[in-house]
Formats: sequence, structure tokens, C-alpha cells
Amino acid sequence: NAGVTQTPKFQVLKTGQSMTLQCAQDMNHEYMSWYRQDPGMGLRLIHYSVGAGITDQGEVPNGYNVSRSTTEDFPLRLLSAAPSQTSVYFCASSYDGLAVGSYEQYFGPGTRLTVT
Amino acid sequence: GNSVTQMEGPVTLSEEAFLTINCTYTATGYPSLFWYVQYPGEGLQLLLKATKADDKGSNKGFEATYRKETTSFHLEKGSVQVSDSAVYFCALRGGSEKLVFGKGTKLTVNP
Repeated sequence: NAGVTQTPKFQVLKTGQSMTLQCAQDMNHEYMSWYRQDPGMGLRLIHYSVGAGITDQGEVPNGYNVSRSTTEDFPLRLLSAAPSQTSVYFCASSYDGLAVGSYEQYFGPGTRLTVT
Repeated sequence: GNSVTQMEGPVTLSEEAFLTINCTYTATGYPSLFWYVQYPGEGLQLLLKATKADDKGSNKGFEATYRKETTSFHLEKGSVQVSDSAVYFCALRGGSEKLVFGKGTKLTVNP
């Protein structure tokens, strides 16, 4: 298994550009999520999905869109990039988001995004 | 809402020193508690977990005990190594599927 994969690893955008961060998992996990990691802020949840066709907002959703057309893929779209979106983005997945207790999230390696 | 507070770093120790990273939480009900570790340049990975009061999670020499009376889940290791240098995140999952993280504590272990 490749686990959770993310592309690209690094990206530089100009203000106002749009792009899609890719995330895929091959573990047949129902639950997938996107976080951003900023210094001194820890990880903040952007959007999440409990299954194909279902998405919901997390703590910091503004400026980002997601869709979940398949179990495997959960892309994150930046509609019009802003310098405040400079961050490291992590995608994560887990087997069953509704299972109590045995709940481990598997993280991808991250995408480092710089918006100038 | 649910929240996690962990000690601010950075923490710098010498090899073989004792490590404690404090973590306290606020949650309704009976959350599951986790410690994740992030090595330089990598994503987070689960270090240990505990799913009910008085449970002790352990892995790679690290331990943490779920203390409901003090709402705490402190991470400890008796003798740290240089390879333990990383950022450590305390996290909890309460009544929903969303995981809530602390802000992270950076640990540097010097030889």
C-alpha cells in the first residue's frame, strides 16, 4: 500500500491564481480530511469527508473547496490564492470516521505552498 | 467545544534525560486521546493512544495515562535519544469524527 499520497510536494503561486492540491489513499478509508499547519497554530481542519459524495466544513474553510467523487481521492482547491494561505497542507484518512475508540488518522507527507 | 492545551516549547534536552510534555483537555463525554509525532519534513504519525479513563498508551518507550480526574494525558519517556527530536501533538476525538489537535511541542535532543 502507498498509504496517503499528496501532490505536489512544493508549490509557489502568485496572488489570485487557483490550483488544486491532490490527495489519494489506497486503504479504502471512508474518512478523509485536509489540515493546514502554521507555526504556533498546530493543525487546523479545513474540510473533511465521511464518504464519497459527502463533505463538510472544518475550522478554517474560507477560500477552499473540496469534492469527494470517489472513496480514494479528496482534492483541495484554492479558488484565488492569497498570501494568508501560505502554509503546509496535510491530507489524512481513517478507516471509519464514526468508529469510537480505534481511530487512527494516516497522514500524507504534506504540500508546502507559498503564495507571493 | 473540545480543546487541547499542551505545553509550549521548544523543549531542549540532553540524551538520556527524562521527558515530560504536558497535555490537558476540555471535552464533553468520554473522548479518546492521542499523541502524534512529526519528524522533520514528514507528516504526522500516531505515537500512542488511550480510549478510556486510566488506560495507559505506550510505544517506543513513550507512555501516557488517560487521567479523567485531572483531564490530562501527559507524555513521558524515561531516557530520550537524539532520534526522538520531533514535534509532538496531543489530540482528542470526542463525540464527532473530527480530531482536535494541540499546537504542538518541538523537542530537540542533543547528544
